[in-house]
Amino acid sequence: GESVGLHLPTLSVQEGDNSIINCAYSNSASDYFIWYKQESGKGPQFIIDIRSNMDKRQGQRVTVLLNKTVKHLSLQIAATQPGDSAVYFCAESLSASKIIFGSGTRLSIRP
Amino acid sequence: EPEVTQTPSHQVTQMGQEVILRCVPISNHLYFYWYRQILGQKVEFLVSFYNNEISEKSEIFDDQFSVERPDGSNFTLKIRSTKLEDSAMYFCASEQEKETQYFGPGTRLLVL
Repeated sequence: GESVGLHLPTLSVQEGDNSIINCAYSNSASDYFIWYKQESGKGPQFIIDIRSNMDKRQGQRVTVLLNKTVKHLSLQIAATQPGDSAVYFCAESLSASKIIFGSGTRLSIRP
Repeated sequence: EPEVTQTPSHQVTQMGQEVILRCVPISNHLYFYWYRQILGQKVEFLVSFYNNEISEKSEIFDDQFSVERPDGSNFTLKIRSTKLEDSAMYFCASEQEKETQYFGPGTRLLVL
């Protein structure tokens, strides 16, 4: 079946530290994975994506890791800033069609 | 930077009334989507639209829902007879060609 889950509903990190948000997915046929950031009252904002033929992709201050063996996805945010406070959703898609969202992790930053 | 826009930002309606939510996708995008998010829950897929027809819909998207692309720019979601449980944020998304979906800011619908 299609389901995407997150290990922790909340994550609190010190400003300047690195954040790691984890996600498990169950559909081994999924070939496209995305991380979205959602701030209060706004729509999901694309952060980074990765296709199933890759295991790592880097963006600006963010890295996504994909482990297909254990169906695990993670988002690493380097030098976390107050503006990174949001709910982060992992999402999966089969052949880039509809997106199946996970339940979200709320990231809060301690000053 | 081009972005998806949605109107209205908020809509309050009485149960049983019809509502139309409007979206203007990014101009060169070909695939269009509606999602909804009930307060405190995850984002759920409703429907996808390509080449002027529905390509996929979820079980949430029953006969009370319809979508339309009346002209070259707008993409609308109509709920014919709203129910209390239709209260949610509704997000439109668009995609160029099997790539990233970009989401609009959403319409908050409250059914009383």
